[in-house]
Amino acid sequence: KQEVTQIPAALSVPEGENLVLNCSFTDSAIYNLQWFRQDPGKGLTSLLLIQSSQREQTSGRLNASLDKSSGRSTLYIAASQPGDSATYLCAVPGGSQGNLIFGKGTKLSVKP
Amino acid sequence: EPEVTQTPSHQVTQMGQEVILRCVPISNHLYFYWYRQILGQKVEFLVSFYNNEISEKSEIFDDQFSVERPDGSNFTLKIRSTKLEDSAMYFCASTIQGGRYGYTFGSGTRLTVV
Repeated sequence: KQEVTQIPAALSVPEGENLVLNCSFTDSAIYNLQWFRQDPGKGLTSLLLIQSSQREQTSGRLNASLDKSSGRSTLYIAASQPGDSATYLCAVPGGSQGNLIFGKGTKLSVKP
Repeated sequence: EPEVTQTPSHQVTQMGQEVILRCVPISNHLYFYWYRQILGQKVEFLVSFYNNEISEKSEIFDDQFSVERPDGSNFTLKIRSTKLEDSAMYFCASTIQGGRYGYTFGSGTRLTVV
């Protein structure tokens, strides 16, 4: 059964720092991995989708990597800003219809 | 950019009452999903829907739950007799092809059962 773990559970950094969020999954037979952002009490905003054939995907200050063989993905945020404060979730397809299995998320706080 | 739209954003209901949560998926998407997130917990899969029928459901999705696509645009989740533990954020999502090209989620409905 696929399980997704995210470390750390919470992270507080000063503005301007570069940071890395980690995601691990137990079953490497995935065809993609998706990173989401969730603001308090709000919906899930897709940040990056990495297909299994890719190793990296970039969008602005965000860079996500995927290492299927080791069951890991990282989300790198460059030059963090207070507006980046949110919970970041990673998710991989699980069931036969590709339903997503989520990690519990990393709650990021960027201090001005 | 196309969006998944959910209504209402917040619903308060008495225990034992029926509720219907509504979603309008992206128009050219073929797969539809409901997920829920109890406060402080992981987002959990409830049910997937394709070609006008349930394609997969989790153990959470018991007989109290049902889904329907009553017309060409809406996708609904009905909870027949709400319990306190049904209080959660409910998310609708849609995909073009079973998640191969990523999911688009709605902004959620916060359901509070009192």
